Amino acid sequence: AQTVTQSQPEMSVQEAETVTLSCTYDTSESDYYLFWYKQPPSRQMILVIRQEAYKQQNATENRFSVNFQKAAKSFSLKISDSQLGDAAMYFCAYWGTGNQFYFGTGTSLTVIP
Amino acid sequence: DVKVTQSSRYLVKRTGEKVFLECVQDMDHENMFWYRQDPGLGLRLIYFSYDVKMKEKGDIPEGYSVSREKKERFSLILESASTNQTSMYLCASSTLRQGAQPQHFGDGTRLSIL
Repeated sequence: AQTVTQSQPEMSVQEAETVTLSCTYDTSESDYYLFWYKQPPSRQMILVIRQEAYKQQNATENRFSVNFQKAAKSFSLKISDSQLGDAAMYFCAYWGTGNQFYFGTGTSLTVIP
Repeated sequence: DVKVTQSSRYLVKRTGEKVFLECVQDMDHENMFWYRQDPGLGLRLIYFSYDVKMKEKGDIPEGYSVSREKKERFSLILESASTNQTSMYLCASSTLRQGAQPQHFGDGTRLSIL
């Protein structure tokens, strides 16, 4: 089984500032996908951003971008201009040839007004 | 928009009871998944299904079973509930296209076993 590690259980950021959430993973596969999901308090988990491992270009989605370092097996999420609505639990996830998602343990992000 | 509906947001049951958690999706997705979410452990896959009447064990299937009689419905069954099965349960679905397709999640069922 693949392992996904999120080493920051909790993070905080001032409103309008930038924050980076870390994720590393362990795999011997060369072809895989990485995802960041957001789970607001008492609300549904939704997809934030997705990255294909064969693409060198880092994925971006409005204020959300990733820093994908394939050799280092690192996949961090940067949130720019943080907003109160960004407060949530964030999960990093891996999808490979096993046809299932492997999730990290999550990072709880607090946005300070 | 994809809608994944879980039958209950909160459920309280007693030890030894047989518990059914229901999940329905409305987008004709082939894949359906049941996860358990616990603090500090993230999401762990219990069972998944790629087609009607198909099921595959995930990482923690012990104490659980599933049923998929119709494409849109995927049920999780706790055969004899125990207190260590108190948790948040999440259902998800995705389409079966080439490459990894994002999963769409339900709101979750917070299950307490007394």
